[in-house]
Amino acid sequence: DAMVIQNPRYQVTQFGKPVTLSCSQTLNHNVMYWYQQKSSQAPKLLFHYYDKDFNNEADTPDNFQSRRPNTSFCFLDIRSPGLGDAAMYLCATSRGQSNEKLFFGSGTQLSVL
Amino acid sequence: KQEVTQIPAALSVPEGENLVLNCSFTDSAIYNLQWFRQDPGKGLTSLLLIQSSQREQTSGRLNASLDKSSGRSTLYIAASQPGDSATYLCAVNQANDYKLSFGAGTTVTVRA
Repeated sequence: DAMVIQNPRYQVTQFGKPVTLSCSQTLNHNVMYWYQQKSSQAPKLLFHYYDKDFNNEADTPDNFQSRRPNTSFCFLDIRSPGLGDAAMYLCATSRGQSNEKLFFGSGTQLSVL
Repeated sequence: KQEVTQIPAALSVPEGENLVLNCSFTDSAIYNLQWFRQDPGKGLTSLLLIQSSQREQTSGRLNASLDKSSGRSTLYIAASQPGDSATYLCAVNQANDYKLSFGAGTTVTVRA
């Protein structure tokens, strides 16, 4: 059974049209992460939550926001998607913040037209 | 800043051959190193996690070694099969930090 679930699997949006990607987990993990991965590149951490504490990476554009309404769910909001935001978005969870195994979802492939 | 490098970027081998995938990192102050598998258009699946105090980890046909002092890890896949075709990424968990630093991966093709 999938433990980290991302919806939708594929998302197409228009340039400048807000879009929300969702992630849920059944592991009851404290930490949830959002990564952006472009083709043939390493995943890049955008931000993470430790419980309700939000941690933004210094180089994450302001265009990207996140919400975590409860332990199980986390959302990635892209306020005004640009062509350069087309990528695979990966959600991951871990029990703790350091030295812990990460569990990834299947990802959402975002296309921007 | 931690830099993780995986060379080669792509590898093609005939079925049955042993695979050797390399990962190097610049800062040896790590908690652990993880190897992941990624199928095309999919998320990452954790394969092995090696703690900084360990030298190797094994799971079935997979064996990962870690030489922290030299900043290197190697993933061995014995008797490769076409189903092993995927991209393999390594990532290091920096000490005193929560982040995983990823390599860009090695894309493996096993020819039947």
